[in-house]
Amino acid sequence: QLHLQESGPGLVKPSETLSLTCTVSGGPISGSSYYWGWIRQPPGKGLEWIGSVYYSGSTHYNPSLRGRVTISVDTSNNQFSLKLSSVTASDTAVYYCARLTFDWLFGPWGQGALVTVSS
Amino acid sequence: DIQMTQSPSSLSASIGDKVTITCRASQNIKTYLNWYQQKPGKAPKLLISSASSLHSGVPSRFSGSGSATDFTLTITSLQPEDFATYYCQQSYGNPYTFGQGSKVEIK
Repeated sequence: QLHLQESGPGLVKPSETLSLTCTVSGGPISGSSYYWGWIRQPPGKGLEWIGSVYYSGSTHYNPSLRGRVTISVDTSNNQFSLKLSSVTASDTAVYYCARLTFDWLFGPWGQGALVTVSS
Repeated sequence: DIQMTQSPSSLSASIGDKVTITCRASQNIKTYLNWYQQKPGKAPKLLISSASSLHSGVPSRFSGSGSATDFTLTITSLQPEDFATYYCQQSYGNPYTFGQGSKVEIK
């Protein structure tokens, strides 16, 4: 059974870079017919797709975040990562990693990681 | 961006009730519409894809319908485990956007 787990700092200072890693177990990222992506949810609010990566390294990003976001993949460790630069308080959210089908269905998801942007 | 608007934002219902949630897209998305259920403190789970295809393991009391801009999620005979927030999501084009959510609460 596929399992995804987010990890990374829970507190980031304004203007710095948020970095999270998603570790996948129960199946390989490499060679799979899926995208691997990040979604965030500000406290008490809705869901926002951030972007996705294929095992080859090709990416799709939400245009609203393009320029600040980088998603990369590390097939040797079965992980993929998110970097979001120049963060502000509005980037405070629970960040989820998830597997995505080629027709953009999300699931399964990790349990989520709360990242707070504050000095 | 394609805007997804759900209604109602919240509703109160009793066990055994029939519940209907609607989702409207800001442009024609054919049937590229999916529904998710999220319980407090948990990640969302896929319920329905392509507007009406029930995901594996999802109870048959859940159903979806619609096309183009107007879609519906129906729960017949609401069960205790169905109290949650439901989100629609369009998979028609980047960015892949979600509705604001519809919270189903116990009356």
